[in-house]
Amino acid sequence: EVQLVDSGGGLVQPGGSLRLSCAVSGFVFDNAAMNWVRQAPGKGLEWVSSISPSGGSRYYADSVKGRFTISRDNVQSTLYLLMNSLRGDDTAVYYCAKEVGWGSPTFDHWGQGSLVTVSA
Amino acid sequence: QPALTQPASVSGSPGQSITISCTGTSSDVGGYNRVSWYQQHPGKAPKVIIYDVSERPSGVSHRFSGSKSGNTASLTISGLQAEDEADYYCSSYTSSFTYVFGTGTRVNVL
Repeated sequence: EVQLVDSGGGLVQPGGSLRLSCAVSGFVFDNAAMNWVRQAPGKGLEWVSSISPSGGSRYYADSVKGRFTISRDNVQSTLYLLMNSLRGDDTAVYYCAKEVGWGSPTFDHWGQGSLVTVSA
Repeated sequence: QPALTQPASVSGSPGQSITISCTGTSSDVGGYNRVSWYQQHPGKAPKVIIYDVSERPSGVSHRFSGSKSGNTASLTISGLQAEDEADYYCSSYTSSFTYVFGTGTRVNVL
């Protein structure tokens, strides 16, 4: 059974940092591109970042470029999102999502989500 | 990358068909056959129901279908059922090697 377990969310002050993790099982992790998608309270989905199976290619939404870093550990089958210089509009539930193939927004498995709240 | 444009809400009675539009530009929806649609029930993670414009994943009802014309993609739900009441989002690949979601549509079953 495919499982993605998000963790690392919490309350952080503006300007602070947080690292999210997504531990996966049930599929060959180093064959899969992975993504982070977020959803602010009561709002729509927003794609945040993607990383290729090897980790050699990484892409970011303009809203987080230069502040967030996506990475992966293919030995530990874990995806990460390091978030720096956090702002109030980064408050959201963050989902990790497994991509089918590479280059198509087809996310067939999702984590349960990790809530990040940025507030003083 | 601005969000793709969807209607805020669409309503229909059980058994009817409804269509949700998703309008982008030639740099995303119009430029690639890489459009997906997601269904999200309250408090749940999204579920992919259409990918590559019109392909249906295994296990997804045949009542869901997708199409595209120019810069606008569409999702049609036939034989509307109470369980279809949810939020629906389109998503597209873009020329910047990124992805973008639509603004989302709430489907109400009357």
